[in-house]
Amino acid sequence: DAGITQSPRYKITETGRQVTLMCHQTWSHSYMFWYRQDLGHGLRLIYYSAAADITDKGEVPDGYVVSRSKTENFPLTLESATRSQTSVYFCASRTTGVGMSNSPLHFGNGTRLTVT
Amino acid sequence: GNSVTQMEGPVTLSEEAFLTINCTYTATGYPSLFWYVQYPGEGLQLLLKATKADDKGSNKGFEATYRKETTSFHLEKGSVQVSDSAVYFCALSEDTGGFKTIFGAGTRLFVKA
Repeated sequence: DAGITQSPRYKITETGRQVTLMCHQTWSHSYMFWYRQDLGHGLRLIYYSAAADITDKGEVPDGYVVSRSKTENFPLTLESATRSQTSVYFCASRTTGVGMSNSPLHFGNGTRLTVT
Repeated sequence: GNSVTQMEGPVTLSEEAFLTINCTYTATGYPSLFWYVQYPGEGLQLLLKATKADDKGSNKGFEATYRKETTSFHLEKGSVQVSDSAVYFCALSEDTGGFKTIFGAGTRLFVKA
């Protein structure tokens, strides 16, 4: 089925461990985004990517690393997890072209990450 | 920088009541404005959008009008249902640079039968 898939849905990890959250989309959208959702903050942008091999920082990039070797995949890695990174993480994509700012984001169902 | 401010929740209403969720924005350029809805355990999904001043977005009985003079995009529904219980996010999409989307903090709506 076409869509955007995140894995895992739930993850518990320990402080200091490396963890990677996966995101896969089947639309061939150029732009992909990682957000974190925390109570009282809405969604905050961590990183985004305009195309394969092109990534850029968002509002809260510290402690995170991304890569995009293929258009359809956009993994997010926490190199050394901290308790402050406990959150729900959402991956999203959008189409490109004329009037791209008009196109909505398409979201995955999120990964709930707990760092103990 | 650009920002979105929406009313804090939670908002609790009885079924068939009128709903308003206020949203104001700060932006340079000509952003598009969106309302997204999030049901429990799911990602956000588009509810409606407006792409220029005075445009009205509408969907499933919800409406919002892009007011440039008051920099607002308030969400309204004339008669809410229990199934409308969710978290609602106001957002703007920049029209330059990385075309990033900026979200408000979200407003949780509870509708009682």
